[in-house]
Amino acid sequence: DVKVTQSSRYLVKRTGEKVFLECVQDMDHENMFWYRQDPGLGLRLIYFSYDVKMKEKGDIPEGYSVSREKKERFSLILESASTNQTSMYLCASSPAENLAKNIQYFGAGTRLSVL
Amino acid sequence: GENVEQHPSTLSVQEGDSAVIKCTYSDSASNYFPWYKQELGKRPQLIIDIRSNVGEKKDQRIAVTLNKTAKHFSLHITETQPEDSAVYFCAASNADSSYKLIFGSGTRLLVRP
Repeated sequence: DVKVTQSSRYLVKRTGEKVFLECVQDMDHENMFWYRQDPGLGLRLIYFSYDVKMKEKGDIPEGYSVSREKKERFSLILESASTNQTSMYLCASSPAENLAKNIQYFGAGTRLSVL
Repeated sequence: GENVEQHPSTLSVQEGDSAVIKCTYSDSASNYFPWYKQELGKRPQLIIDIRSNVGEKKDQRIAVTLNKTAKHFSLHITETQPEDSAVYFCAASNADSSYKLIFGSGTRLLVRP
């Protein structure tokens, strides 16, 4: 059973703080993704990684960075949090050999509030 | 790049009725179309998917149809039950060249008992 674990369910931060959102998967998946989920906007891809130390920008990378030092861990970093980054953040992973069927497995999400 | 539009944004049906959610995509190279269900407070989970070499796929009460010419695909849920209440997301991908999924904006389905 695939398990994608996000370190926090809820976070409250102040404007300007540096924020780290952590995601760990236990299925040895090559690919990992960070999305933000906002009402009426669906799931929007922020960044993804297809290998250790590799990263690619998604559709809304501005204001975010990522780190993938180990295969199982993918971190999302808000260098200087702003109120418009208040959102639900979802991490996902998928195996590389599944290219023909890009099944993604999601974490439970982190609801971030920036005050 | 790919763009996926999803309608309706909300859908309310009586228990036992059918529900249909529709999505359109823009990139003719897309060939993989999954549907994810997200129950309240829970993570999105894949419920059914279809590749472009078939026109329809069924799994018990749910089915997905694909019209490649018109570039749209639909989720059909028959004999709806209260536990079908959730947000449903469609997505599209060119699974020959990319691991990315492009998601629609979601449909909140409410099944009234």
